[in-house]
Amino acid sequence: NAGVTQTPKFQVLKTGQSMTLQCAQDMNHNSMYWYRQDPGMGLRLIYYSASEGTTDKGEVPNGYNVSRLNKREFSLRLESAAPSQTSVYFCASRAGDTGELFFGEGSRLTVL
Amino acid sequence: GQSLEQPSEVTAVEGAIVQINCTYQTSGFYGLSWYQQHDGGAPTFLSYNALDGLEETGRFSSFLSRSDSYGYLLLQELQMKDSASYFCAVPQAGTALIFGKGTTLSVSS
Repeated sequence: NAGVTQTPKFQVLKTGQSMTLQCAQDMNHNSMYWYRQDPGMGLRLIYYSASEGTTDKGEVPNGYNVSRLNKREFSLRLESAAPSQTSVYFCASRAGDTGELFFGEGSRLTVL
Repeated sequence: GQSLEQPSEVTAVEGAIVQINCTYQTSGFYGLSWYQQHDGGAPTFLSYNALDGLEETGRFSSFLSRSDSYGYLLLQELQMKDSASYFCAVPQAGTALIFGKGTTLSVSS
């Protein structure tokens, strides 16, 4: 059982380039999330999807777009990367209304 | 809006007991979660309190007081492997989990 899988694990971009982070979960969860983590800032919510076909902004959505492709997959796109988007990105999923999130291993993005 | 406050750092020695506090402000309350994260790793779920009181899971316990908007994580019989960051989190509007900035626990021998 793979859980939550994120790709790529590492990526280096130049300012202005675009890229998509992919996330897939095999636990049949309805809710999926994208967080970014920066030193001293904890985990900040970028976007989330409560169910297939819906997406909502989180705390720090500017500069990002998301797509809930189906129940399994939730992608995060940076249209024009900026150095301020250098971070570790985590995808997560949740079953029902519990407080338990299942996280992917993270994607470490550097924007030069 | 929502905010969560927790200490930035806590230090302790092996075998000791440590308590990590979390106070929160939310527009609606659905429960308080705790997560552990080791350096370079992903956060992992520890506990969830939807009701007041103490929940115990092995060496870890979590407490919630909804009237005080306060909770804590209690770690007993500390081990070196417990050195990690600990985050409290609350659901916003029942779906989106918002995290505190985390508490770094350092356990020494």
